[in-house]
Amino acid sequence: NAGVTQTPKFQVLKTGQSMTLQCAQDMNHEYMSWYRQDPGMGLRLIHYSVGAGITDQGEVPNGYNVSRSTTEDFPLRLLSAAPSQTSVYFCATKRDLNQPQHFGDGTRLSIL
Amino acid sequence: AQSVSQHNHHVILSEAASLELGCNYSYGGTVNLFWYVQYPGQHLQLLLKYFSGDPLVKGIKGFEAEFIKSKFSFNLRKPSVQWSDTAEYFCAVNADDYKLSFGAGTTVTVRA
Repeated sequence: NAGVTQTPKFQVLKTGQSMTLQCAQDMNHEYMSWYRQDPGMGLRLIHYSVGAGITDQGEVPNGYNVSRSTTEDFPLRLLSAAPSQTSVYFCATKRDLNQPQHFGDGTRLSIL
Repeated sequence: AQSVSQHNHHVILSEAASLELGCNYSYGGTVNLFWYVQYPGQHLQLLLKYFSGDPLVKGIKGFEAEFIKSKFSFNLRKPSVQWSDTAEYFCAVNADDYKLSFGAGTTVTVRA
């Protein structure tokens, strides 16, 4: 999936640990976002950014922090992991409002 | 905020059968509409999109969707499915902002 790179692909954490999920893109897209995918719930927006230095909350922001210091990177931080955050996380980018989103391959996160 | 409803949670078909997946959204203004597909273990891929113009949209792999504004619907169709169409299908909507709202998804299983 050229353009949007997520690392790591898999991670297991213990409750209370912290972790940063990385998302990098080389398409110079201004808009970046993080979703979590849970069975029967589709994808839910966690945080998004419309450009470097600008972030905002999505539908389910609690327990997650983001920052956007560069156009290319949009890391997602879990400060104190909880079992409810076990999910598959997708990063997505888009060039502008009237374009579809491009998704990364996802990070499968398990919290014990 | 917009919301998206997908009517079917799981659809099971035989090869060569026709497929129609329902999608309704709730938002009174101008919307952009998308169908994404997620094959097992993979990221989301764009099947088709509607921004404006002809309400009958043709996408990849023989899929099409029809936007009916009066019904707030964007149903996905394929006349004859193949085993390789086994996947999860997501309808998504974004209005006058960058946030993309997803339906809960429909799992399609095609039996050979």
